[in-house]
Amino acid sequence: KAGVTQTPRYLIKTRGQQVTLSCSPISGHRSVSWYQQTPGQGLQFLFEYFSETQRNKGNFPGRFSGRQFSNSRSEMNVSTLELGDSALYLCASSLDPGGSYEQYFGPGTRLTVT
Amino acid sequence: DQQVKQNSPSLSVQEGRISILNCDYTNSMFDYFLWYKKYPAEGPTFLISISSIKDKNEDGRFTVFLNKSAKHLSLHIVPSQPGDSAVYFCAASVNYKLSFGAGTTVTVRA
Repeated sequence: KAGVTQTPRYLIKTRGQQVTLSCSPISGHRSVSWYQQTPGQGLQFLFEYFSETQRNKGNFPGRFSGRQFSNSRSEMNVSTLELGDSALYLCASSLDPGGSYEQYFGPGTRLTVT
Repeated sequence: DQQVKQNSPSLSVQEGRISILNCDYTNSMFDYFLWYKKYPAEGPTFLISISSIKDKNEDGRFTVFLNKSAKHLSLHIVPSQPGDSAVYFCAASVNYKLSFGAGTTVTVRA
């Protein structure tokens, strides 16, 4: 079974631009979560989608948004990029957190904002 | 507000010895705890988990201990192997949301 895939793997954007990241979960997984990883900060939870609905949200500004499609694929959008948005963005999928809290992570998208 | 804390940013251990990683949490509502391992340029991979109703879970070389009264959990790796060199994240879950610690970098010396 294929793992979680994320595209693109690397991205360089300029401050003020917007960016869209994509995540394809493991087949059959209906929950997709997004995390931001920066040096020394660990993984910060962005949001979680289940059946096309945002079920949970972390403490990030409204510039960070996401959505999930009927095939469980998810996208994350960051508008008006700031230098501090440079980070590794990780997507994780799970069957359903209600039954299993084990999340399976993709390799991440490395975003650099200049 | 960091609800999950890993106070040791790094750990160096000799091959064959035990590695002990520690994690403290503040939210008593957490009902599931997990450990993840991360290599550079890869996403974290799930290692082992424990429900809040248990105090120990073992899987091969990995054992996780949970002390709810102290809001503390630990991961024991024995014996440590060179391939265990990685960053280890502790995570805790409530209401479909995982909170992660900042990670501990483990280096296993030959």
